[in-house]
Amino acid sequence: DAGITQSPRHKVTETGTPVTLRCHQTENHRYMYWYRQDPGHGLRLIHYSYGVKDTDKGEVSDGYSVSRSKTEDFLLTLESATSSQTSVYFCAISESRKGVSGNTIYFGEGSWLTVV
Amino acid sequence: RKEVEQDPGPFNVPEGATVAFNCTYSNSASQSFFWYRQDCRKEPKLLMSVYSSGNEDGRFTAQLNRASQYISLLIRDSKLSDSATYLCVVYSGAGSYQLTFGKGTKLSVIP
Repeated sequence: DAGITQSPRHKVTETGTPVTLRCHQTENHRYMYWYRQDPGHGLRLIHYSYGVKDTDKGEVSDGYSVSRSKTEDFLLTLESATSSQTSVYFCAISESRKGVSGNTIYFGEGSWLTVV
Repeated sequence: RKEVEQDPGPFNVPEGATVAFNCTYSNSASQSFFWYRQDCRKEPKLLMSVYSSGNEDGRFTAQLNRASQYISLLIRDSKLSDSATYLCVVYSGAGSYQLTFGKGTKLSVIP
């Protein structure tokens, strides 16, 4: 299994509070991603990073920010959590751009977030 | 039209059966195609890439039809351990940063 650790794995928080999810990798891969997965939707990209301090938005980035100060860590922050952000969050890594032949995207085990 | 569409299932099949899943994609410029497997409350894991000529990995066969823009996955001799959700994944190529995931097809293999 790819060396990806997400923390916390489960969290319940109140509406309006800030929340930070951490993704840590030991593979030294360049690309890191945050996805969310909800019933009735496929996995949707929130933000991704293509290097230290280099990040960009995905398709569902509103309400989320990210930071990558080290190759191995990619943080996802919900500045003011809302109930619509209740979801499963997956971190993922890849050596190269996603989908390029020969390169695989690996997922972490997921973080279950409930906003009440 | 949604970018990647799959029959959500569930597909309930007996052990030993052959089952096939289809997936259609809307972007004709899509370059790479994959099948991922996701067990309940687990992360998705790559099952196999899909090549233009079709490819096989043990009991699993993947096919790509670019003209009709669909991908298929065939599972022969189904095992109980094949029970999972199968995700169709498409990469649109240069200039596009993201993979597009289908919502998945749920398979239950019954003893």
